[in-house]
Amino acid sequence: SYELTQPPSVSVSPGQTASITCSGDKLGDKYVCWYQQKPGQSPVLVIYQDTKRPSGIPERFSGSNSGNTATLTISGTQAMDEADYSCQAWDSGTWVFGGGTKLTVL
Amino acid sequence: EVQLVESGGGLVQPGGSLRLSCAASGFTFSSYWMSWVRRAPGKGLEWVANIKQDGGEKHYVDSVKGRFTISRDNAKNSLYLQMNSLRAEDTAVYYCASLSFYVFDFWGQGTLVTVSS
Repeated sequence: SYELTQPPSVSVSPGQTASITCSGDKLGDKYVCWYQQKPGQSPVLVIYQDTKRPSGIPERFSGSNSGNTATLTISGTQAMDEADYSCQAWDSGTWVFGGGTKLTVL
Repeated sequence: EVQLVESGGGLVQPGGSLRLSCAASGFTFSSYWMSWVRRAPGKGLEWVANIKQDGGEKHYVDSVKGRFTISRDNAKNSLYLQMNSLRAEDTAVYYCASLSFYVFDFWGQGTLVTVSS
C-alpha cells in the first residue's frame, strides 16, 4: 500500500519560514493537499492540487510537489499557525494521509 | 455556510456495534461524494470510507471492509456509518467530510468512538 512520510515535528521562530515535507514514491506524479488541525478542532484544507489555496487561506501558505517530495511552506509564520499539518494524496482507489507534523512556533 | 454535524459516538465494548450520523447543511448534499475520516489517539488521519452522490458506489479502507457500511439519505441530507464487530483499534474521533476531486474540502467537528471493555 502507498505510504506518505512526514517528520513528526518542526519548529520555527515567529516571522520565519517553516517548511514541512511529505515523501512518497513518485509523489510528484500525484496531486497533494495539506490540512491544518489545531487541538480540539477539525481539520482545515489549506492547500490542494499541490499549490492552490482555498478561499480564506492566507497567502503565506504555499505548496510545491516534485519528484518524491511535496512541501508545505509557511512564510512569515505566526503564532496562530501552530498546529498539526497532514499531507494527503490519492493512490489506486485509496485516500492516503501522512502521519502528520506538529509545527511549533517558538 | 457549510455545516457538517456528527453524532452517535460513545463507549462500546469490543465486538459491539455503533451507528454514526452526519447532518449536512449549507450546500447541495446530493451533489457531493461524502466520506468518513478518523484520527486515533496519538495517530495521523486515516480515510475510512467514501460514498458516491447517489449511493451507488462505495469504497472502504481494507481494515474496515466487511465490518463497516457507509450509506446516505439525500432526502434527509444525512450521511451514516454503521460500525459492527468493533475493535480496540477502531477507537478514534470520526469525522464526516465532503469530497471534491480527491480532496476533503469541508469537515465536521467529529464524534468520539471508544471501544473498550
